[in-house]
This record gives sequence, C-alpha cells and structure tokens, in this order.
Amino acid sequence: RKEVEQDPGPFNVPEGATVAFNCTYSNSASQSFFWYRQDCRKEPKLLMSVYSSGNEDGRFTAQLNRASQYISLLIRDSKLSDSATYLCVVREGGGRRALTFGSGTRLQVQP
Amino acid sequence: GAVVSQHPSRVICKSGTSVKIECRSLDFQATTMFWYRQFPKQSLMLMATSNEGSKATYEQGVEKDKFLINHASLTLSTLTVTSAHPEDSSFYICSANWASSTDTQYFGPGTRLTVL
Repeated sequence: RKEVEQDPGPFNVPEGATVAFNCTYSNSASQSFFWYRQDCRKEPKLLMSVYSSGNEDGRFTAQLNRASQYISLLIRDSKLSDSATYLCVVREGGGRRALTFGSGTRLQVQP
Repeated sequence: GAVVSQHPSRVICKSGTSVKIECRSLDFQATTMFWYRQFPKQSLMLMATSNEGSKATYEQGVEKDKFLINHASLTLSTLTVTSAHPEDSSFYICSANWASSTDTQYFGPGTRLTVL
C-alpha cells in the first residue's frame, strides 16, 4: 500500500470550473501536510501548506482531516495555467525530515 | 526566496560511465539536503538524506555504493551515479533545508539522466 494515495486522473475540466482533489495518507505520525504543483519535466513547487483548520489562498482551498487521514484541495474558477500535476505531500516531523509524495493527480483545464 | 541550483540540468551518457550531479544552495546554508528520484508517471521517491559533514542515510533499496553522496559544505551536496545503466535513467531532484528554518525545503530544478 502506498503511503500517500491519490487518484491519478486526468481531470479534464473547462475554464472556470471548480475541481476537487483528494488524498489519503497511511502514516499516522505525519505532522506536516502540503500540496505541491509539478509541471511537465520540472521540479515540484509548493502550492500551499495544509492545516487542520483549513486554509485558503486565493482560488485554492485546502482541508485536512487528521482522524480520517485525508487531505483535499479545491480549485475554484480554473484557469488554463492551472493545468499541471498536483502532488499531495506529507512529512513526519519538521523541516529536517524528508517529504513523502503521492504520485499526483493530473489536471487539464480546457478552453 | 531561497534558491537551490542543480548541475547539469540534463545529461546523456553511455552505459558504464559515472555521472556526478551537483546541488547547491545559493543564498542560504543547508544543513540537510535530500536526494529524490522520479521515474516517468511515478511519484518522487526519497533516495537518501545528506547531512553536512556526516555520512548520508540511504533509503531501503538504494545502493550506497552505486549512488555516492558527498555533502562537504553547507552549500553543496553531490550525487554520483557510478557505472550507470539504462535503468538508472530518471529525473533526479535535490532539496535543501534551510538551517535557520524548521519547516521549509527548497527544491532544485532537477537533473534528467538518460543512460544509453
């Protein structure tokens, strides 16, 4: 069983749509949670951290349910530039610990 | 923001040769650097954790004699793929933890290795 599981997609949505991604993690010792974005053949880039209280950054909203070990990302008003692979990432402990990545969910926003 | 560079960005080599990849933190000191590998359509997988001045810690299944890691300074870690074979072809990415930060890791742009 993978430590971080995501639906690989692809999710094909029209511009302006709202799309949600989900992720589950198996390590109950995980303490930090993130969503990263990875464009084709590039390094992953931090999109946002995820907190238990839920957090929002513009069109992006992330939620964490520790009891269910479940993380979500909601993208509103999708733009063409949102097309990418979204990686669910967890970490056991602080910044000196490595990140554990999901295999990503691919999003394709169409005009 | 903090910047991590990697060199080379792309390398094509013959089977049996060794390839060295450099990871540098350009504007901060990195006490810890991580090396990841990503095969096509798969997730990034941690290969090893590199701490300045000490031996790297390798993940299960990663051969330490094949993937040599040196972290001689607070701004440089190197990964050498020795006697590379086609199955080593992958995207190698490093990340660095800023010594003064407890939470942030910064990724390099990655090195795409193709072994013929």
